[in-house]
Amino acid sequence: KAGVTQTPRYLIKTRGQQVTLSCSPISGHRSVSWYQQTPGQGLQFLFEYFSETQRNKGNFPGRFSGRQFSNSRSEMNVSTLELGDSALYLCASSLQRLTDTQYFGPGTRLTVL
Amino acid sequence: GQQLNQSPQSMFIQEGEDVSMNCTSSSIFNTWLWYKQDPGEGPVLLIALYKAGELTSNGRLTAQFGITRKDSFLNISASIPSDVGIYFCAGPPNTGNQFYFGTGTSLTVIP
Repeated sequence: KAGVTQTPRYLIKTRGQQVTLSCSPISGHRSVSWYQQTPGQGLQFLFEYFSETQRNKGNFPGRFSGRQFSNSRSEMNVSTLELGDSALYLCASSLQRLTDTQYFGPGTRLTVL
Repeated sequence: GQQLNQSPQSMFIQEGEDVSMNCTSSSIFNTWLWYKQDPGEGPVLLIALYKAGELTSNGRLTAQFGITRKDSFLNISASIPSDVGIYFCAGPPNTGNQFYFGTGTSLTVIP
């Protein structure tokens, strides 16, 4: 069974731009969560999607948004990029719930210049 | 996710030595998970524990779900250079709809 995939793996953007990241969960998994990882802050929860609905949300500004499609694939969007948005963005999928065992993708490394 | 207390923060060991690390929380957990993360990559699930007292092995790795349900331990026996990386504990507490992560243990294996 294929694992979680994320595209692109690397992105370089400039301040003020926006970016869209994509995540395909493990087949059969319906819950998709997004995390931001930085050296100083560790893994920070962004949001979780299930059945095309945002079910849980972390403490991030509205510039961070996401959506989920009927095939459970998810996208995350960051608008008006700031230097501090540079991070590894990780997607994780689980069967049904945020509290189920989570399997991570390889991540997207975003650098904001 | 909220962070769990994980120790030690870093370890430098000789190849062939055994390694122990642990994770504690003030909350009771239903599941304890251990992940390994290489630089620039996503965490890879090593071991999942679902029951208090459970002891599970995956090759040279052994993890235990503490009987109080507030802690977990990971042991690596006979370490090798490819064990280098950051190890995270994680899991959902039994209250609320959340998923917590440990602060990570950075492991360096000296050949």
